[in-house]
Amino acid sequence: ETGVTQSPTHLIKTRGQQVTLRCSSQSGHNTVSWYQQALGQGPQFIFQYYREEENGRGNFPPRFSGLQFPNYSSELNVNALELDDSALYLCASSLDRELSSGANVLTFGAGSRLTVL
Amino acid sequence: TQLLEQSPQFLSIQEGENLTVYCNSSSVFSSLQWYRQEPGEGPVLLVTVVTGGEVKKLKRLTFQFGDARKDSSLHITAAQTGDTGLYLCAGLPSGSARQLTFGSGTQLTVLP
Repeated sequence: ETGVTQSPTHLIKTRGQQVTLRCSSQSGHNTVSWYQQALGQGPQFIFQYYREEENGRGNFPPRFSGLQFPNYSSELNVNALELDDSALYLCASSLDRELSSGANVLTFGAGSRLTVL
Repeated sequence: TQLLEQSPQFLSIQEGENLTVYCNSSSVFSSLQWYRQEPGEGPVLLVTVVTGGEVKKLKRLTFQFGDARKDSSLHITAAQTGDTGLYLCAGLPSGSARQLTFGSGTQLTVLP
């Protein structure tokens, strides 16, 4: 069983550019969540995708958008990059969208480290 | 917004010592999780606690959920160098079962 894989692992962009980050969910998982982890901070929830639709969103502006594909993989897109967007972007997959079941937990990927200059 | 505060932010101890990390909030959480994250990796789930007052043990690690489900602690006995890492608590807010609220983390360094 493969875990969650993310690409690219590292990338550098300049202010105003756009970036796409990719995530393959763990086998058997149909839900993908994205988190942003700034240096020295805990992860912050960006949004969750379930059945190819956004299914909950944190306090992030509309320039953060995403997609989920029929094979449950996902993309995170960020437009008009700002310096504060520099962070580790974590993708996590789960069996289902409701995390209240003890059996339904998040499995995180290793993240994509974005640096905005 | 429900916030989780972790303390201490940094902790450096000698191998063999004991330590406790705290996670506090003014809000109630339906469950709380502890993760460990190592450099270049994503967080890895250690435990989930659900019931107020619950205590779970995982070898040398003891996790406790407060009676009111607003706070939690992680106690490590006889720390080892392999315990080094960033420890994160994360709560599932009451009324929202789809997103975790993370604390800012405790960076633990265990020295040989």
